[in-house]
Amino acid sequence: QSVLTQPPSASGTPGQRVTISCSGSSSNIGRYTVHWYQQVPGTTPRLLINVHNQRPSGVPDRFSGSTTGASASLAISGLQFEDAADYYCATWDDGLSGWVFGGGTKLTVL
Amino acid sequence: QVQLVESGGGLVEPGGSLRLSCAASGFTFSQYYMSWLRQAPGKGLEWVSYISSSGTTISYADSVKGRFTISRDNAKNSLSLQMNNLRGEDTAVYYCVGGDYYFWDGYRQRGGMGVWGQGTTVTVSS
Repeated sequence: QSVLTQPPSASGTPGQRVTISCSGSSSNIGRYTVHWYQQVPGTTPRLLINVHNQRPSGVPDRFSGSTTGASASLAISGLQFEDAADYYCATWDDGLSGWVFGGGTKLTVL
Repeated sequence: QVQLVESGGGLVEPGGSLRLSCAASGFTFSQYYMSWLRQAPGKGLEWVSYISSSGTTISYADSVKGRFTISRDNAKNSLSLQMNNLRGEDTAVYYCVGGDYYFWDGYRQRGGMGVWGQGTTVTVSS
């Protein structure tokens, strides 16, 4: 049972816009910024969206993050086949004094 | 280039011990917080342990508290995880990860985990 709640799956067709939600509480998302990670099957995860919606070098601007209260979301516009991957949200949690992750969302590009 | 290289994984019997190491290069290690994350087969990412850039702040997930010990040597650009009393549920790929800090509203905050090792596999089985 993950501290942050994500839908287990999402899907879209090329060119579509897809959003992935991440729900937390006042001790984590409600207090700290959220970051998002992408894991293409068989590879190491990579930071996709850094704090305050900053994208690391090499991440296309098709990816964006937002936060409202204790919930966050990742939006992917202009969906491409290469975006098929597992996506994880994460942030710090004061109660646990550590990182908390969502269970991951498997994105399928149809 | 920026790099983290883990070593020390392997097959160990329940109750046994392993020590994971992580060698950093290409960035100012002493300015980065570090963590160990793990991913069990077919499962999601799980945080294991955290250590601040100076080493003065350390925390552990409840699932490993009292069994695992994290440490770092900033002079040697290295991070370690001593794992004792291993259980089957500790079987996973272990990732060494690091991130930097930023200032927001006058306070130092942790940025995202931007540096990842390739992972080392720990299998606990008899």
